[in-house]
Amino acid sequence: GDSVTQMEGPVTLSEEAFLTINCTYTATGYPSLFWYVQYPGEGLQLLLKATKADDKGSNKGFEATYRKETTSFHLEKGSVQVSDSAVYFCALKDSNYQLIWGAGTKLIIKP
Amino acid sequence: EPEVTQTPSHQVTQMGQEVILRCVPISNHLYFYWYRQILGQKVEFLVSFYNNEISEKSEIFDDQFSVERPDGSNFTLKIRSTKLEDSAMYFCASSEGVNNNQPQHFGDGTRLSIL
Repeated sequence: GDSVTQMEGPVTLSEEAFLTINCTYTATGYPSLFWYVQYPGEGLQLLLKATKADDKGSNKGFEATYRKETTSFHLEKGSVQVSDSAVYFCALKDSNYQLIWGAGTKLIIKP
Repeated sequence: EPEVTQTPSHQVTQMGQEVILRCVPISNHLYFYWYRQILGQKVEFLVSFYNNEISEKSEIFDDQFSVERPDGSNFTLKIRSTKLEDSAMYFCASSEGVNNNQPQHFGDGTRLSIL
């Protein structure tokens, strides 16, 4: 079945560092791909999405490009801030209604 | 910006009791969902609901679980005869549709603790 694999955390970076969180997927169809973020004590917020190959999703300085050839959707940000500390989830939606989730990656940004 | 709201934020219940988790989806959304996240594990799909009936459910969503839209605004998840392993964070979500351009929007979750 469909699945999502994320790099394990926690990922600890200093402020203004470059961020990459890896995400790869397995799907039988042509899924849409999502990154959700969960700030401490809050719910799941959609960060960005891409619906087809080579699409780039972007929001709040974060970007991810849908790479069909490598079945990847890595999350990147050029300069992270302390306020970016959160848990980041990669997810896919195929032909069904449900989202298939990665395990989540905790990001810690130190001043 | 419209939000999905969930109540209560934390529910503590004795094992064997019934609980009802409540959600108010975004008002113009037509599709509703429940997910759960056991501590330290992945977010798991439970059920989706459209047009007053279940459209898809996972293996987790057995006879112990039920969903209902009792009025025009609320969407509830009922768990009967709760077990210790039902302790988890339960997230409600809603979407306008199921096209890939219509993402699911989530509430802040209800933390369910079974004692």
